[in-house]
This record gives sequence, C-alpha cells and structure tokens, in this order.
Amino acid sequence: EAGVVQSPRYKIIEKKQPVAFWCNPISGHNTLYWYLQNLGQGPELLIRYENEEAVDDSQLPKDRFSAERLKGVDSTLKIQPAELGDSAVYLCASSLGTAGNTIYFGEGSWLTVV
Amino acid sequence: GQQLNQSPQSMFIQEGEDVSMNCTSSSIFNTWLWYKQDPGEGPVLLIALYKAGELTSNGRLTAQFGITRKDSFLNISASIPSDVGIYFCAGLKSSSNTGKLIFGQGTTLQVKP
Repeated sequence: EAGVVQSPRYKIIEKKQPVAFWCNPISGHNTLYWYLQNLGQGPELLIRYENEEAVDDSQLPKDRFSAERLKGVDSTLKIQPAELGDSAVYLCASSLGTAGNTIYFGEGSWLTVV
Repeated sequence: GQQLNQSPQSMFIQEGEDVSMNCTSSSIFNTWLWYKQDPGEGPVLLIALYKAGELTSNGRLTAQFGITRKDSFLNISASIPSDVGIYFCAGLKSSSNTGKLIFGQGTTLQVKP
C-alpha cells in the first residue's frame, strides 16, 4: 500500500515568489493534515481537512498561505508571496478519521527561501 | 505552541546500550504516538498507544501510556547504529473530535559503534 505522497521533495525559491506543494494521502483516509516543521522542532499543525472541508485552519497564516482539497482526496498548500522565514519542512499527513486513529506522514517538502 | 515536554533533548550512547526517553504534559491525552525521523525524511510511526497503562512493544522498542494520561515513555533496548535519528512523542486529544496532534520537541539519538 502506498504511503502519503508529497511533491516536490525539495524547492528553492527567491523571496516574494509563490510556491505550491501537493499531497496525495493514503487511499481511503478521509482526514488530511498539513504540518509545518521548523529546524530542530517538532511538527505543528497548519490545517486539517475532513474530506473536502477545512475543519481546523486556526494556525494557518491566511495572509499568505492557502490550501485546498477540492475533491476530498489530493490537497495543495500554497504560499504567496514567500518570505525568508517560511524556510521549513511542510509535512502532509493522513488518517482514517480523527478519534484516536493513527496519523501517517509523508516524506515532506523541504522549502528554502533565499 | 507546543504543550509536550520531551526529554532528554539529545543522547549520545554506545552501541548495545539501552535508551529511555519520556514525554510529559500538563494536559490529558487520549492517544500517544511515537515517531522517528531520519535526516531528510518525514516522521515514521513507531508505536501507537490508545489506553492508559498500555505497554506496547515493536521489536526492540517498548512504549508505555502513563496511568495519568499525561505522560508516555519509550525504551530502546540494545541500541544499534541505525537507531540514530530524532524521536518525537505526540499526543492526540480526541475530545470534541479535534484530532489535533501535539508534538514534543524531539530527542536526538546518536549511537557510537
């Protein structure tokens, strides 16, 4: 069974440029998460989807970040414009529901803003 | 911000030694998860704990869900070089179906052959 798939794995962009990350969750997982991981820290939740609905986006900086999961499967996370401080790992994860169900992570999209 | 205190922050041990790390919180969690993250990779699930007092093993790894539901422990026996990495605890509060996973700061493990 395929795991959570993310692309691109690595991205280097200049500040003020846009960037987008794509995620395909584990088949059948209705819950999808985007996490931000800064260097030397644990991941922190940006947004959580239940099917196509964003049920928790309280930690998403909405001035420059946006996300969508139009058909309740794949998801895209966008940053526009990117800032130097956005350099981090963007992790996508999925689970079958949320009540105590295990969350599986993708390999991450490693962003460097120069 | 994060609510879990994970310790130790880092460990440097000799191959063959046992390792213990723990995670504590002021809040109650209904699920505890332990992940390992290798450089350049995403976190990989090691062990999941769903009941207070639960003790679960996965090969040389053993984890326990604390009775108070505010802590969890991970032990690695007879460490080997491939155990090197960052270990994260994570707690899940399932109340109100929030599904929000809170991570500790991580324990960096280095193993000397």
